[in-house]
Amino acid sequence: DAGVIQSPRHEVTEMGQEVTLRCKPISGHDYLFWYRQTMMRGLELLIYFNNNVPIDDSGMPEDRFSAKMPNASFSTLKIQPSEPRDSAVYFCASRGHLLNTEAFFGQGTRLTVV
Amino acid sequence: GEDVEQSLFLSVREGDSSVINCTYTDSSSTYLYWYKQEPGAGLQLLTYIFSNMDMKQDQRLTVLLNKKDKHLSLRIADTQTGDSAIYFCAESTPDILTGGGNKLTFGTGTQLKVEL
Repeated sequence: DAGVIQSPRHEVTEMGQEVTLRCKPISGHDYLFWYRQTMMRGLELLIYFNNNVPIDDSGMPEDRFSAKMPNASFSTLKIQPSEPRDSAVYFCASRGHLLNTEAFFGQGTRLTVV
Repeated sequence: GEDVEQSLFLSVREGDSSVINCTYTDSSSTYLYWYKQEPGAGLQLLTYIFSNMDMKQDQRLTVLLNKKDKHLSLRIADTQTGDSAIYFCAESTPDILTGGGNKLTFGTGTQLKVEL
């Protein structure tokens, strides 16, 4: 397996535009997580899914953010409209069901909103 | 709810030991983890400890767990410049929302800077 795959690696967009980040988890993993990392706030959990169902989205900053997982092999995080303060590195991670399994992270998407 | 806290920065000299600390609030934690993030990369698992253990050693890494105080630490012996990275602690807790057992909560990360 190639690991967790995120695309794009880098995204530069203008304020007000829609941004879609994509993630392909490791095959067979039950859990998928979206995180945001900034210098000021560190690593923040935005939302996580279990078996494609969103379980906890309390970390999503506001209604401009939405996430979907239409099937077990694909998830998206959408920001509409984007704002400069959304600039961050967004990570996707997936994990199996057992308690002691590690979470595998993608390489991240570095988003810059100008 | 779950909360995992770490200090944001730590600076040490090459060859010294580094100790990175973490506190957590959920007493139902089953496994606790240390992840490492190198510049421009995602997080990678360094080591983990089961909650009924006090200590785990793996080469230059020593993990200490004080379950009573909900305190976890990572000691890196003979710290090298290649150890410069951000270190995250994380806890795995029973996921009440799904009835399963796999919720993973991360701290905000400690940036370790190793100086010559």
